Amino acid sequence: SQQGEEDPQALSIQEGENATMNCSYKTSINNLQWYRQNSGRGLVHLILIRSNEREKHSGRLRVTLDTSKKSSSLLITASRAADTASYFCATPRGAGNMLTFGGGTRLMVKP
Amino acid sequence: GAVVSQHPSRVICKSGTSVKIECRSLDFQATTMFWYRQFPKQSLMLMATSNEGSKATYEQGVEKDKFLINHASLTLSTLTVTSAHPEDSSFYICSASPGQGNEKLFFGSGTQLSVL
Repeated sequence: SQQGEEDPQALSIQEGENATMNCSYKTSINNLQWYRQNSGRGLVHLILIRSNEREKHSGRLRVTLDTSKKSSSLLITASRAADTASYFCATPRGAGNMLTFGGGTRLMVKP
Repeated sequence: GAVVSQHPSRVICKSGTSVKIECRSLDFQATTMFWYRQFPKQSLMLMATSNEGSKATYEQGVEKDKFLINHASLTLSTLTVTSAHPEDSSFYICSASPGQGNEKLFFGSGTQLSVL
């Protein structure tokens, strides 16, 4: 079952613009992760934010976490055509690094 | 970062045949690997957790006799789709983690299965 819901499901922007994706989840978590998937490929880990953190940065990525609202957002600044991909949030489930993935946001960045 | 290798990347087979997909952790040992299935423009659905040296744990609704999982070593898990049918056509992805405090998952590049 999917823990997270993401919106928007699809997003199309021009190169240079910022892209914001949102994720909501249902149960308490100790961390939330964001992954990227290029078409027809596996997923690549982007960033992990812990439940005691509110914001985290990595290059052009900024992730926020609001545990009171059970939501997270991923902001990609100054987008590039190469950022075109699907982005998924993921939350831990059970033990042993098991993750449940959100529905994903398909981002298209037009050159 | 850790590397997970998955083969084949694409396979086309006839209905009724079996297909084996391999997932290897190249530079770390993985006592647990995960197998996901993904339909076009949808999210990943966990099929099963592969446990080294013991039986896999299947998610509800996943037929264990149809999707055979073997995790015979700390670096290799295989998923065999038995008696494949067109409805089994999908993108299958494996993942693993070095564990020991590393909470990230590392993914194989996926296998696109097409059953004719």
